[in-house]
Amino acid sequence: EAGVTQFPSHSVIEKGQTVTLRCDPISGHDNLYWYRRVMGKEIKFLLHFVKESKQDESGMPNNRFLAERTGGTYSTLKVQPAELEDSGVYFCASSQRGTRVIYEQYFGPGTRLTVT
Amino acid sequence: GDSVTQMEGPVTLSEEAFLTINCTYTATGYPSLFWYVQYPGEGLQLLLKATKADDKGSNKGFEATYRKETTSFHLEKGSVQVSDSAVYFCALRDTGNQFYFGTGTSLTVIP
Repeated sequence: EAGVTQFPSHSVIEKGQTVTLRCDPISGHDNLYWYRRVMGKEIKFLLHFVKESKQDESGMPNNRFLAERTGGTYSTLKVQPAELEDSGVYFCASSQRGTRVIYEQYFGPGTRLTVT
Repeated sequence: GDSVTQMEGPVTLSEEAFLTINCTYTATGYPSLFWYVQYPGEGLQLLLKATKADDKGSNKGFEATYRKETTSFHLEKGSVQVSDSAVYFCALRDTGNQFYFGTGTSLTVIP
């Protein structure tokens, strides 16, 4: 079974440009999560999709970040315009959805974003 | 709010040395506790977990015990190998299924 995949693995852009990160969850996983690790700091939650709906986006830092999950399959996270402080590693995770059981989240390898 | 504090790295050990990575947490309610590992070039992988006080999680020779009285979940391994070189993250999951991670501890094991 294929794991969570993310693309690209590394992106270097200039301040003010736009970048779109993509996450393909494990097939059949309704839950999809985005996290971010700014250099040297903790991994922080950004948002959670259940299928195509945003369940929780309390961790999104500001309105320069836009996440979508059209059709409830893959998800994109767009940063527009990018700022220096957006540099870090962006992780995606997915899990099955259960009403009484909390399923493990499986993480992708991350996308390293460098804004210069 | 909930948070996790873990020992800062980097940590460098010789092969077969004893490893401890400290982790303490702050949480309301009764969280579950986790250790994740990220090997070079790979994603985060669940290493072990404990869902209630006094539970011990173990995997691949690593262990951690959920200590409610000290709000700790320290990771230990009796004899590390070169292949254990990775970044280790302590995390808690609150009752709302929200994850809180520590800053990560980089471990390098030298032959």
